[in-house]
Amino acid sequence: GAVVSQHPSWVICKSGTSVKIECRSLDFQATTMFWYRQFPKQSLMLMATSNEGSKATYEQGVEKDKFLINHASLTLSTLTVTSAHPEDSSFYICSARAAEGLWVNYGYTFGSGTRLTVV
Amino acid sequence: TQLLEQSPQFLSIQEGENLTVYCNSSSVFSSLQWYRQEPGEGPVLLVTVVTGGEVKKLKRLTFQFGDARKDSSLHITAAQPGDTGLYLCAGVDTGRRALTFGSGTRLQVQP
Repeated sequence: GAVVSQHPSWVICKSGTSVKIECRSLDFQATTMFWYRQFPKQSLMLMATSNEGSKATYEQGVEKDKFLINHASLTLSTLTVTSAHPEDSSFYICSARAAEGLWVNYGYTFGSGTRLTVV
Repeated sequence: TQLLEQSPQFLSIQEGENLTVYCNSSSVFSSLQWYRQEPGEGPVLLVTVVTGGEVKKLKRLTFQFGDARKDSSLHITAAQPGDTGLYLCAGVDTGRRALTFGSGTRLQVQP
């Protein structure tokens, strides 16, 4: 089946530093990846959509300069939280959508999430 | 922006009871998915419904897609403690190709 690997699973960083989160599709090519944010006991909120080889599309209210997304290959997307602050502490989850013609079987596959704590 | 409202938000029941979770929207979705999420993990897909009026069964879980493709329901028969988790419906927006998640239903099944 389709597997998405997300690393790290948790990270603690100091306020003002940057953190990079990786999302890899292990056994399929993902032309599109999505980044979500989830606060405790709440649902997932879409932050941005990244397409391989092009700029990410950010949802309204998400600062693109703060949450840098790079989708340089068909199997890897990264989210970098720059100059992190305590209010950025959250659970970040990536999702990959298989390439056209394949997604009917694979659909949307989610990573296991990254718990970011900014102190 | 398409919104999906789930009800109830929280449900605590005894093992063996039946329950239904509802997912409603004013918008039409090309398809709708149900996920279950456990603490500290990503959502896991349970089912995808595509056709209006479609009913799918997954062991003790029954999923239904509304005729107008604006709403869906999840019915669990004889709930077990292992069913405990956050249940999320998600609509597929053909234009944006992104999932829009519902507000979530937190289910707790007491042994």
